[in-house]
Amino acid sequence: DGGITQSPKYLFRKEGQNVTLSCEQNLNHDAMYWYRQDPGQGLRLIYYSQIVNDFQKGDIAEGYSVSREKKESFPLTVTSAQKNPTAFYLCASTRGRNYEQYFGPGTRLTVT
Amino acid sequence: AQTVTQSQPEMSVQEAETVTLSCTYDTSENNYYLFWYKQPPSRQMILVIRQEAYKQQNATENRFSVNFQKAAKSFSLKISDSQLGDTAMYFCAFIFLPSTGNQFYFGTGTSLTVIP
Repeated sequence: DGGITQSPKYLFRKEGQNVTLSCEQNLNHDAMYWYRQDPGQGLRLIYYSQIVNDFQKGDIAEGYSVSREKKESFPLTVTSAQKNPTAFYLCASTRGRNYEQYFGPGTRLTVT
Repeated sequence: AQTVTQSQPEMSVQEAETVTLSCTYDTSENNYYLFWYKQPPSRQMILVIRQEAYKQQNATENRFSVNFQKAAKSFSLKISDSQLGDTAMYFCAFIFLPSTGNQFYFGTGTSLTVIP
């Protein structure tokens, strides 16, 4: 079955540690996205990538980093510079020119 | 700047009734796509319906339909014959082309509860 996988579903880290969230897709989509979701704020774009080895900052990129070495993979690193990292993180990819976004199941990150 | 507004944080509807969720936006672009996404308690985002701005005909998908008013910059979602499984957060979203590349803009969501 084609789809987007995110792992793990729940992640716990101590403050000051970097942590990497995984996102893999086997849909052969070119564009991939990372969003952060907080209560009452909808989805906010962190980074997106339209093609391998290229990515752009979204509205809240500070404290985050990404890489896009393979078409299928778009990992997100939450660095210690991110002041409020506890949130629900969603990865998505886009199908062709109808721009329909497909989402992964999300990762709930808790930093204490 | 592109903005998306969902002015109804919470709504409820009786099972089998019809409900309309509103969404407005502001853009100077002429070419864009509009979407409604559903996020049930599982938090999996699911595409409900899609509308191209250049199409005058409103999109429909089974019990879901939109009322797209381009001049008014309004994009509402109508759910007919509401079912308990429709209980979820609903987000409207846009992609404006070509100025924003492939960036999507989401509203803050409307929490819909279907009452049995």
